[in-house]
Amino acid sequence: GESVGLHLPTLSVQEGDNSIINCAYSNSASDYFIWYKQESGKGPQFIIDIRSNMDKRQGQRVTVLLNKTVKHLSLQIAATQPGDSAVYFCAETSKAAGNKLTFGGGTRVLVKP
Amino acid sequence: DTEVTQTPKHLVMGMTNKKSLKCEQHMGHRAMYWYKQKAKKPPELMFVYSYEKLSINESVPSRFSPECPNSSLLNLHLHALQPEDSALYLCASSQERTGELFFGEGSRLTVL
Repeated sequence: GESVGLHLPTLSVQEGDNSIINCAYSNSASDYFIWYKQESGKGPQFIIDIRSNMDKRQGQRVTVLLNKTVKHLSLQIAATQPGDSAVYFCAETSKAAGNKLTFGGGTRVLVKP
Repeated sequence: DTEVTQTPKHLVMGMTNKKSLKCEQHMGHRAMYWYKQKAKKPPELMFVYSYEKLSINESVPSRFSPECPNSSLLNLHLHALQPEDSALYLCASSQERTGELFFGEGSRLTVL
């Protein structure tokens, strides 16, 4: 079936360095992608989204890149801070899926001081 | 702070109990969702309500019964649960069919 997955379950990064989290998706009809951050004991929090008519979108310290050719999504966090320590999920949906948002497996980011 | 409020934050229940989880949002969103999340796993969709009507049921067992009394409220009624139903139950809402989902903090359920 269709799926969204992540390659690295845990990413350790030095404070101040840049982080890159990757995500692969298999549904070629997916046209909307979201990155969520989930801190321990909390619900997922929206970070940034991108639609399929774009290949790059920037927010505050975060950039999402979308490569539709290879069905790959990435989240770049600039100057990673201790507060960035969390689990990050990519999620995708499509017009056909309606309200159904499918989450990838998650990557834990650990920021070392 | 999240604008989706879930109660209770923690719930412990026996397999014969009947309990309810509650969710409230005042953002005017017309789509509301229940997700189940096990430890170290991504959220899994259970139900979607759109304009107060159930639009998606992901083959959830009948021991979970959703209810949407109005556009701001979403309940999840629990009855005869199993220990494997222990999880974090997340409520979310969105303005559009494929828009950003806003999540609550979740209700952590333990079934003994």
